[in-house]
Amino acid sequence: SAVISQKPSRDICQRGTSLTIQCQVDSQVTMMFWYRQQPGQSLTLIATANQGSEATYESGFVIDKFPISRPNLTFSTLTVSNMSPEDSSIYLCSGESYNEQFFGPGTRLTVL
Amino acid sequence: KQEVTQIPAALSVPEGENLVLNCSFTDSAIYNLQWFRQDPGKGLTSLLLIQSSQREQTSGRLNASLDKSSGRSTLYIAASQPGDSATYLCAVSPGGVYNFNKFYFGSGTKLNVKP
Repeated sequence: SAVISQKPSRDICQRGTSLTIQCQVDSQVTMMFWYRQQPGQSLTLIATANQGSEATYESGFVIDKFPISRPNLTFSTLTVSNMSPEDSSIYLCSGESYNEQFFGPGTRLTVL
Repeated sequence: KQEVTQIPAALSVPEGENLVLNCSFTDSAIYNLQWFRQDPGKGLTSLLLIQSSQREQTSGRLNASLDKSSGRSTLYIAASQPGDSATYLCAVSPGGVYNFNKFYFGSGTKLNVKP
């Protein structure tokens, strides 16, 4: 199994600013993903973080709004850009190893 | 696009009862299915992973079944305990070379086990 940590665990931000969330895995994983969980809803996949290349985004999500980096096999960042109150959500990082997914504890973001 | 549905949305049972959570998906061409548990303020904990070629998986008091042809999975919890109270999420990984390691989630079943 893989243990995943995220920083920050929570943040309160002002409209129009940007926040970068870090995700660290304790072992190498094949794939890394970023999900969003809006209040009262289930998880929605934002993008697949690809090592050394541009992330692959799901429908409805774009790189300008959610730039993602993955410089190596155990670390990734997600930036939420030009935030609005609609971006208030929990953002979760996950890693895939041997076809099983493991999740970080999430980052709870509130945008005022 | 794969749609995943979970029924019921919420469930409240007395301690000791056996219970079944349901998950259905629209596209039977899946790679695998995974059940997770989510506790308030915490991330997701993987409970059981069923490969598309398997019919069921068991771990302790948990048993998950998979019927790919009908697009259904069930999570059976035996002798429920208050510590089982959490939201249970079902997620499917679609088939295809480039999609097999993505997951699409259901909306979850919020379980409350009363002492």
